[in-house]
Amino acid sequence: QKEVEQNSGPLSVPEGAIASLNCTYSDRGSQSFFWYRQYSGKSPELIMFIYSNGDKEDGRFTAQLNKASQYVSLLIRDSQPSDSATYLCAVKYPSGSARQLTFGSGTQLTVLP
Amino acid sequence: DVKVTQSSRYLVKRTGEKVFLECVQDMDHENMFWYRQDPGLGLRLIYFSYDVKMKEKGDIPEGYSVSREKKERFSLILESASTNQTSMYLCASSLPGLEQFFGPGTRLTVL
Repeated sequence: QKEVEQNSGPLSVPEGAIASLNCTYSDRGSQSFFWYRQYSGKSPELIMFIYSNGDKEDGRFTAQLNKASQYVSLLIRDSQPSDSATYLCAVKYPSGSARQLTFGSGTQLTVLP
Repeated sequence: DVKVTQSSRYLVKRTGEKVFLECVQDMDHENMFWYRQDPGLGLRLIYFSYDVKMKEKGDIPEGYSVSREKKERFSLILESASTNQTSMYLCASSLPGLEQFFGPGTRLTVL
């Protein structure tokens, strides 16, 4: 069983809409959660992280965490064509592990002009 | 700004060759990582290092080795390249427990 699951997509939304990207994880001890964006042919770049249950907002991006349901999501408001990329969810192993992050396989998002 | 650099963006090698991929970071990060990324499989951890001369196997270490002689440099070695090692290789670095910063990647083709 994969430890971090994402819908691979592709997910298409019209420009200006809200894009919703979802991620589930299997380790209840996980404490930190990261969203990376990866443009085609480029390396991943961090866009948000969240540690606590609830919502965290940064500009057009909102990360939502529900530890009881082992679920983390990323909402992109007012989606732009420049948001078209693959979004990777990453989960940090519990404290004491040097192994760091486990990545999902990513969701490909296309924002249609 | 954190900068992680990789020695080559594109590399073409032949089966059986020994291949060296080098990664350098300039932010004094303790942790360094090597991943490979393949379509549909996401990022898979090959090896990581949490200190000079210290290394641990990731999920797919077979066919690879690593070297970390200096804090800023982490090398991935393919002892005898095979066609199934054709992939995008990504290096990353981080402070303990914090986000990872990625290099630009090396697209390796083994013929």
